[in-house]
Amino acid sequence: GIQVEQSPPDLILQEGANSTLRCNFSDSVNNLQWFHQNPWGQLINLFYIPSGTKQNGRLSATTVATERYSLLYISSSQTTDSGVYFCAVEPRALTFGSGTRLQVQP
Amino acid sequence: GAVVSQHPSRVICKSGTSVKIECRSLDFQATTMFWYRQFPKQSLMLMATSNEGSKATYEQGVEKDKFLINHASLTLSTLTVTSAHPEDSSFYICSARIEGLGGEQYFGPGTRLTVT
Repeated sequence: GIQVEQSPPDLILQEGANSTLRCNFSDSVNNLQWFHQNPWGQLINLFYIPSGTKQNGRLSATTVATERYSLLYISSSQTTDSGVYFCAVEPRALTFGSGTRLQVQP
Repeated sequence: GAVVSQHPSRVICKSGTSVKIECRSLDFQATTMFWYRQFPKQSLMLMATSNEGSKATYEQGVEKDKFLINHASLTLSTLTVTSAHPEDSSFYICSARIEGLGGEQYFGPGTRLTVT
């Protein structure tokens, strides 16, 4: 099956810092989504981005489908950004990466 | 945005009993629903895919007789964990997709199952 790798696995930032999370995948996909899992387990949809670039406030994402990677940018990080960020890709059903655990310190 | 609900949010049951978890798409009709399982500090693993009115497709290694999935309508799917054992304790999350293959998926809040 398709392989999804996320990096870095863990990230600690000071409030106000910027960061880039990466997602590499091993095959062509029909769908790519970024999620933030909050401390209660709820997956929050950040981006639906099988290709191209999107921005939503302090967050933006870029997917280069031909090179099989996607990037999630977080600018001016806040403590509420803490949690686990997942990339998931769909050849036929969403396959999740192992996630990036982000901790933003005040 | 599209909303998916799950019920119950938390359940504790005794070993050997069965537990049913409901997943509903509240403001849209879902062509396909999915069930995932997540163990602590791990990623989500797909268990099965279900389409309304047809049998679910289970991932390799998932026992279909233990995890019964019924997709009775375009807004409701249920997962029944039969004869639960402590190793079935996990966080179960459903998702729903509005469009066909490649469409955006929306996730429920999850159900935390503890089997004693």
